[in-house]
Amino acid sequence: QVQLQESGPGLVKPSETLSLTCTVSGGSISGYYLNWIRQPPGKGLEWIGYIYYTGSTNYHPSLKSRVTISVDTSKTQFSLKLSSVTAADTAVYYCARGYSSSWSAPFDPWGQGALVTVSS
Amino acid sequence: EIVLTQSPGTLSLSPGERATLSCRTSQSLSSSYLAWYQQKPGQAPRLLIYGASSRATGIPDRFSGSGSGTDFTLTISRLEPEDFAVYYCQYYGGSPYTFGRGTKLEIK
Repeated sequence: QVQLQESGPGLVKPSETLSLTCTVSGGSISGYYLNWIRQPPGKGLEWIGYIYYTGSTNYHPSLKSRVTISVDTSKTQFSLKLSSVTAADTAVYYCARGYSSSWSAPFDPWGQGALVTVSS
Repeated sequence: EIVLTQSPGTLSLSPGERATLSCRTSQSLSSSYLAWYQQKPGQAPRLLIYGASSRATGIPDRFSGSGSGTDFTLTISRLEPEDFAVYYCQYYGGSPYTFGRGTKLEIK
């Protein structure tokens, strides 16, 4: 059974860079699109971007200038960096694998989520 | 960007009743790249339906999806106590992937 787990600091200062890592266990990341999604407290879901296991990426246009997603296939991990954060970036951040190997696949499974608060 | 509009915002029903949730898209989805997720408090979303009408692995058959073009529906035939949650629809046919704002299904 494939499982995903987010890890990283839960508190980030304004203007700094948010960094999270997603570790995939029990399955492969090869051949799959690997996604980051976030959910501000009490609000809905926002897709941040994806990386293919080969390293190609696609980001949400509204975040593109601040987002970098990278992958380490040897460790079955992929990572998110979001620069110049503000309070509006406070959210639960989820990682998720594509349900199939297609680029057009829904997200499943998901990690449990990591709350990141932006505050001084 | 394809905008997804879910209705109603909140749906109050009793266990055993039938639930019908709607998701309308701002553009026609020619290939039905439409998914439905269930989210309970403190948990990650769970994939229920993909391709508008295909159930994901392990999803009970009381959950069904239908629709095409711009109008999609998630139906729960007989509500169980564990079905009360927030439901989101998602477009995944191109960037940016987008989600609706959700429908909260609450116990009446």
